[in-house]
Amino acid sequence: EAQLLESGGGLAQPGRSLRLSCAVSGFTFDDYAMHWVRQSPGRGLEWVSSITWESGNIGQTDSVRGRFTISRDDAGNTLFLQMNSLKVEDTAMYYCAKSRLNGDHEYFHEWGRGTLVTVSS
Amino acid sequence: DIQMTQSPSSLSASVGGTVTITCRASLNIDTYLNWYQQRPGQAPKLLISAASNLQGGVPSRFSASGSGTNFTLTISDLQREDFAIYYCQQSYSSAPFTFGPGTKVDIK
Repeated sequence: EAQLLESGGGLAQPGRSLRLSCAVSGFTFDDYAMHWVRQSPGRGLEWVSSITWESGNIGQTDSVRGRFTISRDDAGNTLFLQMNSLKVEDTAMYYCAKSRLNGDHEYFHEWGRGTLVTVSS
Repeated sequence: DIQMTQSPSSLSASVGGTVTITCRASLNIDTYLNWYQQRPGQAPKLLISAASNLQGGVPSRFSASGSGTNFTLTISDLQREDFAIYYCQQSYSSAPFTFGPGTKVDIK
């Protein structure tokens, strides 16, 4: 059974940085693309960033481009999200999610429980 | 970006009842549409992929259909554990992936 465990969230001031981690087990990590998805308090879901196996392809939403960097350590079975120049609007629960492909249909197959990021002065 | 809308935004239903949630995409996404359930305090859970493929372990009272721009999720014989928020999500374009705003199903 796949397990994903996020960590690294907390309180940060605007303009500061945080680094989120997602430790995974129960599947062959380097066979799968991975994603970060966030959810602001009382709001819906927003895809943040993705990284394919072997870090061959990286995508991110416009609102974090140039500030957030996704990476992975396949040997250590860990996904990261480096968050720089944080803004108040980055406040959210951050989930890591395991991707799955069925043909060319991709979906977020397994999710962690999330780590809460609060950006406030 | 592909915009996703859902209706209604919330609904009330009785245990044993049936509900239908609609999801619309701002352009033709074929069947690149997934549905997720989120219970209070929990992470989202994948229910259905590719518009109509029920995931393993998901009860058969969940069904979904659609293609192009219009999609539906139907839950029949509602159980207490089904009261949650449901999100649709398009995977036609990964730049970016987008979710609908959610439909909250609560107990009448």
